[in-house]
Amino acid sequence: AQSVTQLGSHVSVSEGALVLLRCNYSSSVPPYLFWYVQYPNQGLQLLLKYTSAATLVKGINGFEAEFKKSETSFHLTKPSAHMSDAAEYFCAVSASVYNDMRFGAGTRLTVKP
Amino acid sequence: SAVISQKPSRDICQRGTSLTIQCQVDSQVTMMFWYRQQPGQSLTLIATANQGSEATYESGFVIDKFPISRPNLTFSTLTVSNMSPEDSSIYLCSASRLGGRDAFYEQYFGPGTRLTVT
Repeated sequence: AQSVTQLGSHVSVSEGALVLLRCNYSSSVPPYLFWYVQYPNQGLQLLLKYTSAATLVKGINGFEAEFKKSETSFHLTKPSAHMSDAAEYFCAVSASVYNDMRFGAGTRLTVKP
Repeated sequence: SAVISQKPSRDICQRGTSLTIQCQVDSQVTMMFWYRQQPGQSLTLIATANQGSEATYESGFVIDKFPISRPNLTFSTLTVSNMSPEDSSIYLCSASRLGGRDAFYEQYFGPGTRLTVT
């Protein structure tokens, strides 16, 4: 079975500061890992995904994530936060195209001016 | 990529009634899923919609409450039956398929249906 744990339900950073959102996964098979962003009253938008190619994955809006098998982690980072990054972020895991996606509880990112 | 549309986008319903949500994908997909996102929470899988057979439900979800159909490779419906205020949520349709040169899979989400039960 697959699952993800997002550490920190709420992260607050200053504009221009590093963004680090933590995600640890559990999977009995090599996982596919995803980060989604959800802005208030909007749907899910895919930020990036890991599909067993490069371990450092670059996504949209300057975000990237690194797959670390030894740490079972897939943390999301952005070097410099922007006010527009304030949103809810979800980490998700799936075993394959035939399996559903399991979501973490979400991390709400606040960016202070 | 695949584009998923859902109807209705939102609805306000009376308790005790039922609502059917439609999910249409613009191309054939391998799997279709239904999720629920309760206010302020993460997404929870309701069921996997199987083409031509009964859906596979997650623990805590039953067919009588959430009947699902998937008559073909691009369409599915979710019905929320005998609604109560606790059913007020966003319901999302999702689809996945193999894609790309590396045959890794892609997963897509619909915009969601925002349901309020009064």
